[in-house]
Amino acid sequence: EPEVTQTPSHQVTQMGQEVILRCVPISNHLYFYWYRQILGQKVEFLVSFYNNEISEKSEIFDDQFSVERPDGSNFTLKIRSTKLEDSAMYFCASSVRQGAGQFFGPGTRLTVL
Amino acid sequence: GDSVTQMEGPVTLSEEAFLTINCTYTATGYPSLFWYVQYPGEGLQLLLKATKADDKGSNKGFEATYRKETTSFHLEKGSVQVSDSAVYFCALSYPSGGSNYKLTFGKGTLLTVNP
Repeated sequence: EPEVTQTPSHQVTQMGQEVILRCVPISNHLYFYWYRQILGQKVEFLVSFYNNEISEKSEIFDDQFSVERPDGSNFTLKIRSTKLEDSAMYFCASSVRQGAGQFFGPGTRLTVL
Repeated sequence: GDSVTQMEGPVTLSEEAFLTINCTYTATGYPSLFWYVQYPGEGLQLLLKATKADDKGSNKGFEATYRKETTSFHLEKGSVQVSDSAVYFCALSYPSGGSNYKLTFGKGTLLTVNP
């Protein structure tokens, strides 16, 4: 069964460093999403992406964040200068069309020291 | 704005017990409603969904009915198994500006089923 994959599973970085979280969505899916979950809190929407551009972004997704689909298979989230409060589990998701169920990856745990 | 409220966990049950996890929502329109499940070490998996009032979503013995009058989407299962131990998330999805269907999640409820 096709699945969304994410790498790395755990990333530890120093405050102020740049990190890139990688996702490979399901191959025939067209809509891509990033969510995050700070420990003990809700899963929060960050950004959605379709047709090579951002469809919607939340207030969390400020200028420190960017997304890219550099080729036909990868979907990346970059944080330019990490802060302590960026420590969270980051989930990538994809869907075949709007309104269809979103399929999630296993997440990347980001720890900022 | 839209929001989802789930019952606080953790919930601990014995095998074959009846499960209810409460979920209520506030939304400005007519959202689709979802239950996602996260098994240890895995990503969120779509468990079931309902797209309009009075729809019942069901999967793997779990059921939830979209109740517009009470703005609820409670998850139920008649007889839980140890393998159902996981975190359950209620969520809604609502088109924003006609663009896409971002999910708004509840906090999640940890279910532990003991043999």
